[in-house]
Amino acid sequence: KAGVTQTPRYLIKTRGQQVTLSCSPISGHRSVSWYQQTPGQGLQFLFEYFSETQRNKGNFPGRFSGRQFSNSRSEMNVSTLELGDSALYLCASSLAQGSGKKETQYFGPGTRLLVL
Amino acid sequence: GQQLNQSPQSMFIQEGEDVSMNCTSSSIFNTWLWYKQDPGEGPVLLIALYKAGELTSNGRLTAQFGITRKDSFLNISASIPSDVGIYFCAGFSNSGYALNFGKGTSLLVTP
Repeated sequence: KAGVTQTPRYLIKTRGQQVTLSCSPISGHRSVSWYQQTPGQGLQFLFEYFSETQRNKGNFPGRFSGRQFSNSRSEMNVSTLELGDSALYLCASSLAQGSGKKETQYFGPGTRLLVL
Repeated sequence: GQQLNQSPQSMFIQEGEDVSMNCTSSSIFNTWLWYKQDPGEGPVLLIALYKAGELTSNGRLTAQFGITRKDSFLNISASIPSDVGIYFCAGFSNSGYALNFGKGTSLLVTP
């Protein structure tokens, strides 16, 4: 079974631009979560989607948004980029939110975003 | 989300030594997960724990779900150079949906 895939792997943008990152979950997984990883803050939860609906959201500004398609693929968008948005953006998929094994999350390789 | 307390922050050991790291939370967790992350890559799941007291092994790795449900431990036996990386604990609390993470333990193994 193929793992979680993320595209692109690397991205360079300038301040003020916007960016869209893509995530394809493991086949059969219906929940997709997004995380931002920086050296200073570690791994921080952005949001989680299930059945095309955002179910949970972390403490990030409205410039960070996402969506999920009917095939469970997900995209996240960051508008009006700031230097501090430079980070590794990770996507994780799970069968579903619930208890036990269903909620175990499997991560993709990440997209490294650099904002200049 | 809730920040987990993971220790030690870093370890520098010789090949063949055993390694122990642990993670604690201030609230009860119903799932504990241990991941390893190599530079520039995403975290890879090593061991998942779902019941208090559960002890699970994956090769040379062994992890336990603490009986208080507020802690977890990961042990690596007979370390080898490819064990180098950052190890993260993570878990779901009863009241939350987001995966909470520790700050990671950076492991360096010298031949």
